[in-house]
Amino acid sequence: KQEVTQIPAALSVPEGENLVLNCSFTDSAIYNLQWFRQDPGKGLTSLLLIQSSQREQTSGRLNASLDKSSGRSTLYIAASQPGDSATYLCAVSKNSGGYQKVTFGTGTKLQVIP
Amino acid sequence: DGGITQSPKYLFRKEGQNVTLSCEQNLNHDAMYWYRQDPGQGLRLIYYSQIVNDFQKGDIAEGYSVSREKKESFPLTVTSAQKNPTAFYLCASSIGSVRGVMETQYFGPGTRLLVL
Repeated sequence: KQEVTQIPAALSVPEGENLVLNCSFTDSAIYNLQWFRQDPGKGLTSLLLIQSSQREQTSGRLNASLDKSSGRSTLYIAASQPGDSATYLCAVSKNSGGYQKVTFGTGTKLQVIP
Repeated sequence: DGGITQSPKYLFRKEGQNVTLSCEQNLNHDAMYWYRQDPGQGLRLIYYSQIVNDFQKGDIAEGYSVSREKKESFPLTVTSAQKNPTAFYLCASSIGSVRGVMETQYFGPGTRLLVL
């Protein structure tokens, strides 16, 4: 059974700092890995999608890396801003009986202090 | 604007009552999903549908039912058999793994269900 762990559960940083969020998964036979952002009481917004054949993806100040063999992914946020405050979730997917089974981590709650 | 809508935003359920959560998408996606989110836990899959008139149980389907009569709609009913229904419910859609393409899932804004 796939398990996805995110450490730390919560993180507080001053504005302008670069930071790294971690995600680990137990079953390396994945199709892709996604990083999502969730604001309080809201749905999830997809930030980056990394296919299993890729090593990283970049979007603006965000960079996500994937090391499938070791079961790890990191989300790097450069020059953090108060607007980055949210919960960040990682999710891995694999083919399970013909459908995309997605397993989510419990998230890292980020607070960027002005 | 294309997207996924969920209604209502808040829903209150009385003891022994069935309630239905709405999920509609105009993205022309084949696949739709229902997840439940509890504090301190990751999202857990309740039901999914790969195509109209077809749906499958997820990891925690007991006490829930769904239908997929239209491509755009995937309503979730929380039945009286679900003993702990208080949670945040999220609906999602994707292009469709039926085609063998593992694409990103797009999420609705969620419905918070509370028990009176």
